[in-house]
Amino acid sequence: QAGLTQPPSLSKDLRQTATITCTGTTYNVGNQGAAWLQHHQGHPPKLLSYRNGNRPSGISERFSASRSGNTASLTITGLQPEDEADYYCSAWDSSLSAPVFGGGTKLSVL
Amino acid sequence: EVQLVESGGGLVQPGGSLRLSCAVSGFTFNNFAMDWVRQAPGKGLEWVSLISGSGDSTYYEDSVKGRFTISRDNSKNTVYLQMNSLRAEDTAIYYCAKDMGRLRGSGTYDYWGQGTLVAVSS
Repeated sequence: QAGLTQPPSLSKDLRQTATITCTGTTYNVGNQGAAWLQHHQGHPPKLLSYRNGNRPSGISERFSASRSGNTASLTITGLQPEDEADYYCSAWDSSLSAPVFGGGTKLSVL
Repeated sequence: EVQLVESGGGLVQPGGSLRLSCAVSGFTFNNFAMDWVRQAPGKGLEWVSLISGSGDSTYYEDSVKGRFTISRDNSKNTVYLQMNSLRAEDTAIYYCAKDMGRLRGSGTYDYWGQGTLVAVSS
């Protein structure tokens, strides 16, 4: 199944702002939006945002998500060392009747 | 508190079989779809399979169709993944994940298990 497109890596300085993009099609991101996951190796993934901006309880306001057309974005403000992780987007694809994931973006906080 | 606990992983030879289990607590199990998602060494997350809350509908990633079977026992709050004809490329950490979709999948997962390692090697 075709996946969503994310940049493989991103490096930003401490306390700066990082924006990660996720590009799909009208059948997935453009249809129902995307969810965002944070994944530290050795731990299970954590849901950061869903349906274009809703944050689960306990997720910092430093994490915000949006969508424009077929592209979803995750913005992290005031970067902290603990934000260094892999970030994934996911969405339901109505043409595949299956979920699709992005390839992941490795965020480095310098 | 929501908990998902996987078990059943291990080392298996190519062509062999394993059955993964995921015991769940903390939410009304039969109200939600459940998924298996894997991460191969050095790779990203990859969706594997999904089962609806009632268990009536199942979906599979193309490379596992005909080899893997997902099922659930709503009386035991447990979801399973039977994996047959295992290949080296199935080597991965397998996570079970609670889908936010009720009748069917949503592509959004709000709770995850710790994962269980499946290694396929001779």
